[in-house]
Amino acid sequence: DQQVKQNSPSLSVQEGRISILNCDYTNSMFDYFLWYKKYPAEGPTFLISISSIKDKNEDGRFTVFLNKSAKHLSLHIVPSQPGDSAVYFCAASSLSSGTYKYIFGTGTRLKVLA
Amino acid sequence: DAMVIQNPRYQVTQFGKPVTLSCSQTLNHNVMYWYQQKSSQAPKLLFHYYDKDFNNEADTPDNFQSRRPNTSFCFLDIRSPGLGDAAMYLCATSRDLGGNQPQHFGDGTRLSIL
Repeated sequence: DQQVKQNSPSLSVQEGRISILNCDYTNSMFDYFLWYKKYPAEGPTFLISISSIKDKNEDGRFTVFLNKSAKHLSLHIVPSQPGDSAVYFCAASSLSSGTYKYIFGTGTRLKVLA
Repeated sequence: DAMVIQNPRYQVTQFGKPVTLSCSQTLNHNVMYWYQQKSSQAPKLLFHYYDKDFNNEADTPDNFQSRRPNTSFCFLDIRSPGLGDAAMYLCATSRDLGGNQPQHFGDGTRLSIL
């Protein structure tokens, strides 16, 4: 049973436009959500996070929105740049047996077209 | 200035022949993690160390073991690799176990089983 789902395996966007990557989750006990970006042949790198007590967090071109009632979060990239082409993973963490652990989604491959 | 280094990047072993994957970090982080990622799937946590305390995930096969001889190094041992163990293995670190602690990943070791 996948607790964190990224239902779109891939997304293509024109340079300069908005990219919206979506993530759904099932566990209401998740209290932090994080986005990671992964380039080919490299490990994932942390991008942005949001606490469950907030509904928005912004960092430059990247904004994460959290809708707890819908158990949905999204990452907005504005404006999109060719260098943003990568796989984006959503991750959620919750306290389990006294320690926080991440559950990752399967990723969405973003391609920004020049 | 790589901070989490995994060696080797590619490892080929024979069915049933023990193999060890290596991870080192220069961040002086307390926590080190090992994830398994199969093609088009989410990274799956195998286990983690908080300092010298080992924490195994309930569904990690007994075939997988880990050692952390000091703060900087952590090893993943697969005692008798099967064909199903072919995957990308990712090492990650975090300063502590808080839910909002970003994890820093290495570039992974891709393991092939002949």
